[in-house]
Amino acid sequence: EDKVVQSPLSLVVHEGDTVTLNCSYEVTNFRSLLWYKQEKKAPTFLFMLTSSGIEKKSGRLSSILDKKELFSILNITATQTGDSAIYLCAVEGNAGNMLTFGGGTRLMVKP
Amino acid sequence: DTAVSQTPKYLVTQMGNDKSIKCEQNLGHDTMYWYKQDSKKFLKIMFSYNNKELIINETVPNRFSPKSPDKAHLNLHINSLELGDSAVYFCASSLRGEFEQYFGPGTRLTVT
Repeated sequence: EDKVVQSPLSLVVHEGDTVTLNCSYEVTNFRSLLWYKQEKKAPTFLFMLTSSGIEKKSGRLSSILDKKELFSILNITATQTGDSAIYLCAVEGNAGNMLTFGGGTRLMVKP
Repeated sequence: DTAVSQTPKYLVTQMGNDKSIKCEQNLGHDTMYWYKQDSKKFLKIMFSYNNKELIINETVPNRFSPKSPDKAHLNLHINSLELGDSAVYFCASSLRGEFEQYFGPGTRLTVT
């Protein structure tokens, strides 16, 4: 059974801090790893990673995948209160199109 | 324009009732999904439909039945609602063969 574990479960920082969110996985026939940001309700897509060592970047957010060690990290620099959300990691494995989600990391950024 | 929409946003009902949640996408996707988010924020896949065919059906109770009248719609019908069915249900869509899924805003179901 595919498995995705995220850490920490929750995180409280102050504006301007840099945070690193972790995602480790066990999956049959890995295809991709995705990061989502969930605010209030529906998750919104952040990144999709398929290759090791290639950093994806979008503004203050960046992510990288290590397929040998089976993990990914999501970095957020110069955090803002608007970054407060649940960050979900998901992997696609053997079942094609179906995603296995981790439990999420709840990030709270205080002013 | 809304890409993936769900109705209703909130649904409060009593145990034993039958209810439906509707989902529509205007992205031209050919695959749609239903997820259940539990109180711990885990998203669990319930169903996936591609071209009107159920391609993956997770082990959900048969009280839940997905109904897809066409590629743009995937409705979730629930019979004999139970307290444990209370959760947020998300609809999502994608193109078959592509990984990125687009999620709807969710429907919060409360069974009393």
